[in-house]
Amino acid sequence: DTGVSQNPRHKITKRGQNVTFRCDPISEHNRLYWYRQTLGQGPEFLTYFQNEAQLEKSRLLSDRFSAERPKGSFSTLEIQRTEQGDSAMYLCASRSLGQSGNYEQYFGPGTRLTVT
Amino acid sequence: AQRVTQPEKLLSVFKGAPVELKCNYSYSGSPELFWYVQYSRQRLQLLLRHISRESIKGFTADLNKGETSFHLKKPFAQEEDSAMYYCALKAAGNKLTFGGGTRVLVKP
Repeated sequence: DTGVSQNPRHKITKRGQNVTFRCDPISEHNRLYWYRQTLGQGPEFLTYFQNEAQLEKSRLLSDRFSAERPKGSFSTLEIQRTEQGDSAMYLCASRSLGQSGNYEQYFGPGTRLTVT
Repeated sequence: AQRVTQPEKLLSVFKGAPVELKCNYSYSGSPELFWYVQYSRQRLQLLLRHISRESIKGFTADLNKGETSFHLKKPFAQEEDSAMYYCALKAAGNKLTFGGGTRVLVKP
């Protein structure tokens, strides 16, 4: 499968623990996006990278959240001191900046986080 | 700030009947709108974009700037159209603002 991959697919953690998710975008895609989706809602934008630079962060991204893309390839999203309200599906998407007029974002399967 | 509203959470239609999914948006700039679909146990994928003016799997959507709408239509629904549909608006940086989604159930 050459699409966007995310690991782990499921994560159950206790409140107060730290968790880290990984996203591997489609090879050579410059832009990488993180979204969060809670039950019954559409995905909500969290942050995005162009290569290794984090260009925008949503107000949804509290100080407990941090994202990195150190080499401009894979990205990690870390949540510190998890809370029950962090329970959600975390989606990653990527796209190629070079494709003129093609704004399609390719989504990964998501990481489902459950905080108990 | 941009916003996308999908007023119907669930649409249930019979096979062969027309289906229309409503999407309204608010955005101060020039909008670019998309429909994404998520079939059962599959990832979110692009269905169509308004700029392409194309029909995909029999679906069409017209951008109406006067009514700030981008409704998705199909004249004859098929069982394989059963899925979750999300309307999305592209903002600066190409981040997407999604609506809450509409679940379509096509009954045989």
